[in-house]
Amino acid sequence: DTEVTQTPKHLVMGMTNKKSLKCEQHMGHRAMYWYKQKAKKPPELMFVYSYEKLSINESVPSRFSPECPNSSLLNLHLHALQPEDSALYLCASSQEVEQYFGPGTRLTVT
Amino acid sequence: KNQVEQSPQSLIILEGKNCTLQCNYTVSPFSNLRWYKQDTGRGPVSLTIMTFSENTKSNGRYTATLDADTKQSSLHITASQLSDSASYICVVSEMTGNNRKLIWGLGTSLAVNP
Repeated sequence: DTEVTQTPKHLVMGMTNKKSLKCEQHMGHRAMYWYKQKAKKPPELMFVYSYEKLSINESVPSRFSPECPNSSLLNLHLHALQPEDSALYLCASSQEVEQYFGPGTRLTVT
Repeated sequence: KNQVEQSPQSLIILEGKNCTLQCNYTVSPFSNLRWYKQDTGRGPVSLTIMTFSENTKSNGRYTATLDADTKQSSLHITASQLSDSASYICVVSEMTGNNRKLIWGLGTSLAVNP
């Protein structure tokens, strides 16, 4: 199984809502990532988890809160987002060099 | 400043034709160079990964080249198909201590027309 899955595919939320994005991989990868991608731009790294511990936070606002409940799961909790946070949120995992990306969650903040 | 530049920005070709996409980088220290294909609204899919010592690598109809001396890479697509329409992104991995940071290009948007 070389697949990274993400749910939901699409999410529309208001600025006062609390929601969560989920990511799952069953490849035994030790590292998992969250990226944010705006239209016609490359993905921007947000967070990196290594062995279930947060190893990199690229100065992401606290309204984004990552969580790694176990080695296969990665969540991104969202609270009090702004319209400019609307983007494609990508999850990825890796064991060595290769990063495998999920299909993404299209988030719209209204 | 570590940068990855791609050309052309966009390209339109007819089905069945070949094309070559270019990538120039200034990333140092260099770890590896990757080419990704990304369909609109989907996650990137890896096509090739090349290290310093590799000059060429193929994946089906995709062939990537790397010249580490001139810091240039190309992605050649042979006998294009309509499904090749996507964004092709060059990504260079910077090796800093035990961490690898990915430096992303802006991509080349390829449209294959019938």
